[in-house]
Amino acid sequence: QVHLVESGGGVLLSGTSLRLSCVASGFTFSNFGMHWVRQAPGRGLEWVAAISFDGSTNNHADSMKGRFTISRDNSKNTLSLQMNSLRPEDTAVYYCAKERAAFDAFEVWGRGTMVTVSS
Amino acid sequence: EIVLTQSPGTLSLSPGERATLSCRASQSVSSSYLTWYQQKPGQAPRLLIYGASSRATGIPDRFSGSGSGTDFTLIISRLEPEDFAVYYCQHYGDSMYTFGQGTKLEIK
Repeated sequence: QVHLVESGGGVLLSGTSLRLSCVASGFTFSNFGMHWVRQAPGRGLEWVAAISFDGSTNNHADSMKGRFTISRDNSKNTLSLQMNSLRPEDTAVYYCAKERAAFDAFEVWGRGTMVTVSS
Repeated sequence: EIVLTQSPGTLSLSPGERATLSCRASQSVSSSYLTWYQQKPGQAPRLLIYGASSRATGIPDRFSGSGSGTDFTLIISRLEPEDFAVYYCQHYGDSMYTFGQGTKLEIK
């Protein structure tokens, strides 16, 4: 069974850094592109970043470019999100998600990890 | 940047009724990259429809998607109690993924 488990969330101060992880199981991780999506409390979904199956290409939402970096380690079935210069508006549940195919729907989601940034 | 606008914001219906949810794009988009998700409180989103009209694995056939160009629709033919949730449309284009703001489907 396909599983994605995020970790690394917490409560931290504005301006600090945090690294989120997502461990995948139940499928060949190295064959699929992966994403981070976030959801602020009581708000809708916001795409954060994507990375190709082999890690050779990635892309980030404009509002997060230069502060957030997506990466992956296929030897460890792990997706990561390095978040720097955190702001209160980055407070959200962060989900990792597996693509169905390149540029396609997100067919499997983790349960998310909560990041709270206080000023 | 493409903006997806969902309507209505909230839809109040009773079990057994038909639900029609709309997703309108600010410019014409490829239906191949139009997706619908369902999200229940405290849960991660669940994939319902991809490619505008293809049901994901395990999704009941009371869910159907259609549309092209700028107008897309999700229809739930006969509402079951478990269908009351928030629904999001999503599009991929220009190396970006965009979500609509969501439609909350609530029990009347």
